[in-house]
Amino acid sequence: EAGVTQFPSHSVIEKGQTVTLRCDPISGHDNLYWYRRVMGKEIKFLLHFVKESKQDESGMPNNRFLAERTGGTYSTLKVQPAELEDSGVYFCASSQRDSGGYGYTFGSGTRLTVV
Amino acid sequence: DAKTTQPNSMESNEEEPVHLPCNHSTISGTDYIHWYRQLPSQGPEYVIHGLTSNVNNRMASLAIAEDRKSSTLILHRATLRDAAVYYCIPTGTASKLTFGTGTRLQVTL
Repeated sequence: EAGVTQFPSHSVIEKGQTVTLRCDPISGHDNLYWYRRVMGKEIKFLLHFVKESKQDESGMPNNRFLAERTGGTYSTLKVQPAELEDSGVYFCASSQRDSGGYGYTFGSGTRLTVV
Repeated sequence: DAKTTQPNSMESNEEEPVHLPCNHSTISGTDYIHWYRQLPSQGPEYVIHGLTSNVNNRMASLAIAEDRKSSTLILHRATLRDAAVYYCIPTGTASKLTFGTGTRLQVTL
């Protein structure tokens, strides 16, 4: 089966600009997660979708970040306006179930650099 | 979230077994123990998970202590491709993964 696909793989933008990251989960996976790793820090949870609904967005850093999952398929994460501290690698993951009894499949990530 | 303790780094020779330990003494009774690894420039990769019993799959084995306060990931024959950071993550019904600093495994010829 196809894995979790993220694009772009890299993005370099100027401070104040807008960037949209996209994630295509594994087909049939209702659960979709966003994580990010900023330089020198651990991978941190951002939010969790179940189909098109936000189940948990406790990790979203501030209101400059907007995640959507129209129709319960792919998801986008928009950063507007981008700040220097938003630089990092953004990972998307999907799973069949939202319990701890199932593994999660991650994408390769989008490396965002804000200059 | 349960707190985990893992060695910062470990080394292994190729084709030898590797035992990666993890302490999770505050794990709740319903938390599964997940292991993920991250190879350079890639996203985290699922390795294995279990609840109480030891588990085996094509990648590794997971040995879980009887009191569930610790677990050990076993790579039966390490290869150069197994060089990665390995994360032990107790995961409950909240389902989000809480990554720590993990163990960086180096594999040498």
